Amino acid sequence: KAGVTQTPRYLIKTRGQQVTLSCSPISGHRSVSWYQQTPGQGLQFLFEYFSETQRNKGNFPGRFSGRQFSNSRSEMNVSTLELGDSALYLCASLAGFGTEAFFGQGTRLTVV
Amino acid sequence: GDSVTQMEGPVTLSEEAFLTINCTYTATGYPSLFWYVQYPGEGLQLLLKATKADDKGSNKGFEATYRKETTSFHLEKGSVQVSDSAVYFCALSDRNTGKLIFGQGTTLQVKP
Repeated sequence: KAGVTQTPRYLIKTRGQQVTLSCSPISGHRSVSWYQQTPGQGLQFLFEYFSETQRNKGNFPGRFSGRQFSNSRSEMNVSTLELGDSALYLCASLAGFGTEAFFGQGTRLTVV
Repeated sequence: GDSVTQMEGPVTLSEEAFLTINCTYTATGYPSLFWYVQYPGEGLQLLLKATKADDKGSNKGFEATYRKETTSFHLEKGSVQVSDSAVYFCALSDRNTGKLIFGQGTTLQVKP
């Protein structure tokens, strides 16, 4: 059974640019969540999608957005990048609420 | 709101020593509880879980018991190995949203 796949693994972007990250969940899982990990703030919830609908959203500015496709693959987009957006972005695949989340290896975003 | 507090790290142990990493939580309702482990440059891996009070999760020699009366989920291992060196995260899952709330992480270093 394939795990959660995130692409790309590494990204370097310039301030003001935008970026799109991709996540393919485990086959059969319809829920995808995104988290931001930084040394200062730890792991913070961005948003969660289920069957192409955003069900929950964390406390992040509107520059952070996402979507989910009919095959459950998800993308997140960050516009007008800031230096503080440099982080490891992790995608999690879940079978349902309260169940364990399976994480991808993450995308390391560096904003210069 | 819901929260998770872990003991401060880093924790440095000699091989074969006994490990305890404390974790307490605050939550409304009855969350599921998890321990995740993160190796350098990797995403999060589920180590163990417990879904209700008095459940004991176990995996690879690690154990944790869901204690509702003390709102705790301490991680233990009887004999650590060098390969256990990693960052350990305690987390709870809100049953209504599926959102994971993480502790700040505890770095474990095991010396030969």
